[in-house]
Amino acid sequence: AIRMTQSPSSLSASTGDRVTITCRASQGISSYLAWYQQKPGKAPKLLIYAASTLQSGVPSRFSGSGSGTDFTLTISCLQSEDFATYYCQQYYSYPQTFGQGTKVEIK
Amino acid sequence: QVQLVESGGGVVQPGGSLRLSCAASGFTFSSYGMHWVRQAPGKGLEWVAFIRYDGSNKYYADSVKGRFTISRDNSKNTLYLQMNSLRAEDTAVYYCAKDAGYCSSTSCHKGAFDIWGQGTMVTVSS
Repeated sequence: AIRMTQSPSSLSASTGDRVTITCRASQGISSYLAWYQQKPGKAPKLLIYAASTLQSGVPSRFSGSGSGTDFTLTISCLQSEDFATYYCQQYYSYPQTFGQGTKVEIK
Repeated sequence: QVQLVESGGGVVQPGGSLRLSCAASGFTFSSYGMHWVRQAPGKGLEWVAFIRYDGSNKYYADSVKGRFTISRDNSKNTLYLQMNSLRAEDTAVYYCAKDAGYCSSTSCHKGAFDIWGQGTMVTVSS
């Protein structure tokens, strides 16, 4: 199975900060990489697919980049509603796998 | 509106069985692959199983292979997960999710999970 490793596992930031989360795949996955946001007690929400394509309705402060094994999610100007846990996921091959998550907390 | 609604969760003893359902609405269910994903309390997301739009292909996580069966009834717009030989480590919120990929007449294209249900809790405990 392809292992997805996110870093950091958690971070503290303030509203207005620029935040970057990285995700590394244990083998190449081309651009078959998605990012999800999950708030407590809620289902995950798709933010970005194909490594860099913004899902419809997602604010443009979210962006993704990368291909192959190294990927990045950037939130350009953190808003109060962005405090949540973020997961990367590879859908290149089965079993599909998620990163362990990055919790973005209020500083 | 586009919606997935899970049901069938509950408390079951180790070794028992449970069947989850996921009712779809607002999109052409028979055109899309579907997944089950679970999340143990306080833990991350774990992909469980996938079924192709027509039911012809199925994939499972090693942790559930041989115990869980994914199926669908396109006439009822419903996805199922039959869970047998349940263990304590199967305790989790189970989500169904729509695969955004699609198949044309010549090829299939992979997709992320663009629609999720609200989840149903399964607790395996004596």
